[in-house]
Amino acid sequence: DAGVIQSPRHEVTEMGQEVTLRCKPISGHDYLFWYRQTMMRGLELLIYFNNNVPIDDSGMPEDRFSAKMPNASFSTLKIQPSEPRDSAVYFCASSDLRVGDSPLHFGNGTRLTVT
Amino acid sequence: SQQGEEDPQALSIQEGENATMNCSYKTSINNLQWYRQNSGRGLVHLILIRSNEREKHSGRLRVTLDTSKKSSSLLITASRAADTASYFCAFLIYDKVIFGPGTSLSVIP
Repeated sequence: DAGVIQSPRHEVTEMGQEVTLRCKPISGHDYLFWYRQTMMRGLELLIYFNNNVPIDDSGMPEDRFSAKMPNASFSTLKIQPSEPRDSAVYFCASSDLRVGDSPLHFGNGTRLTVT
Repeated sequence: SQQGEEDPQALSIQEGENATMNCSYKTSINNLQWYRQNSGRGLVHLILIRSNEREKHSGRLRVTLDTSKKSSSLLITASRAADTASYFCAFLIYDKVIFGPGTSLSVIP
């Protein structure tokens, strides 16, 4: 299996622009997670899905952030409009069993820079 | 993280030495996991220890869990330069997997 695939690897954009991050989870995994990593705040859980349904989005910072999972093999995280404080590495992860009972498999992340 | 702490924040050792990292948490957990992150990469799962287990081994890794003290430790024996990475503990709180702030390990050849 190719593992969790994220694109793009790097994104540089100007403040106010829309940003879309993409994720392809491991086939057969029922859970998909979006995390954000910064030096100041560490790894933060933004949202997670089970069988394509958003279960908990309480970590989404504000209405500028939205996430979708239209099917079992694809998810997007959108920021509109983007702000410099959104600069971070965004990770997608997937797992196959109940949350916390099995390892999370991470992609290599998207490094977002908003100028 | 408000839910957990790790220490030390950074650790530098010589190749061949053992490295110990500690994780403490604040609530009851069902299990605790350890992950490694190499620079510029995603996290990689190392080991999962359940609340009814006290110790677990995987190769050169040894993990202990003390639920009475709400703490866990990760020991890497006979360290190698390739072990240089950040190490994170993670635990389940209200159906969310929460990560600690991590320990940055440098193994000097």
